[in-house]
Amino acid sequence: GAVVSQHPSRVICKSGTSVKIECRSLDFQATTMFWYRQFPKKSLMLMATSNEGSKATYEQGVEKDKFLINHASLTLSTLTVTSAHPEDSSFYICSARAIRTTTDTQYFGPGTRLTVL
Amino acid sequence: GEDVEQSLFLSVREGDSSVINCTYTDSSSTYLYWYKQEPGAGLQLLTYIFSNMDMKQDQRLTVLLNKKDKHLSLRIADTQTGDSAIYFCAERTNFGNEKLTFGTGTRLTIIP
Repeated sequence: GAVVSQHPSRVICKSGTSVKIECRSLDFQATTMFWYRQFPKKSLMLMATSNEGSKATYEQGVEKDKFLINHASLTLSTLTVTSAHPEDSSFYICSARAIRTTTDTQYFGPGTRLTVL
Repeated sequence: GEDVEQSLFLSVREGDSSVINCTYTDSSSTYLYWYKQEPGAGLQLLTYIFSNMDMKQDQRLTVLLNKKDKHLSLRIADTQTGDSAIYFCAERTNFGNEKLTFGTGTRLTIIP
């Protein structure tokens, strides 16, 4: 149980284009999903917290107009990187918090590697 | 403030025990987690401990928590080649605040 998928697993795009990454909780409902960014050989940096049916909460320093987050249902959140630049190249990981868990555990997706040329 | 520190590298011989250490600064941590990340993959939850516990054992994994020193450790008994990965500790503070703060990660290498 508690499986989270991400699509695509890898994407290469040109500068200036937009890329959408999907995060799905496959066997549970998630009121809250989280988007992280991981630089090579570095830890995870929380970008934003996404609550179903409401606006995402962005961490300090993360541009909300550049990283658009939509949490349309209890099983799907999307991250759209708009007007991508090479410095946006990174590994993006989402996680989902299951409803009604005593530990509020986050379950992580496999990640999406974005390369911007 | 929140700051979670780990050693970057650990090498262990196959069959020995691995001990991965983590220190944190926020005394209001409620839950502490250990995650495993294999190359090119997301994070897999290994185990967690509530802050009012000082030890938790789960098969080959033993978590020790010293709340006074704000020190967390993960011991892997009988380390196998499949244990090669990066291990992250993470803390969650203030029940209801779901934000996790991750450590820098420890890369565990198994020596045959």
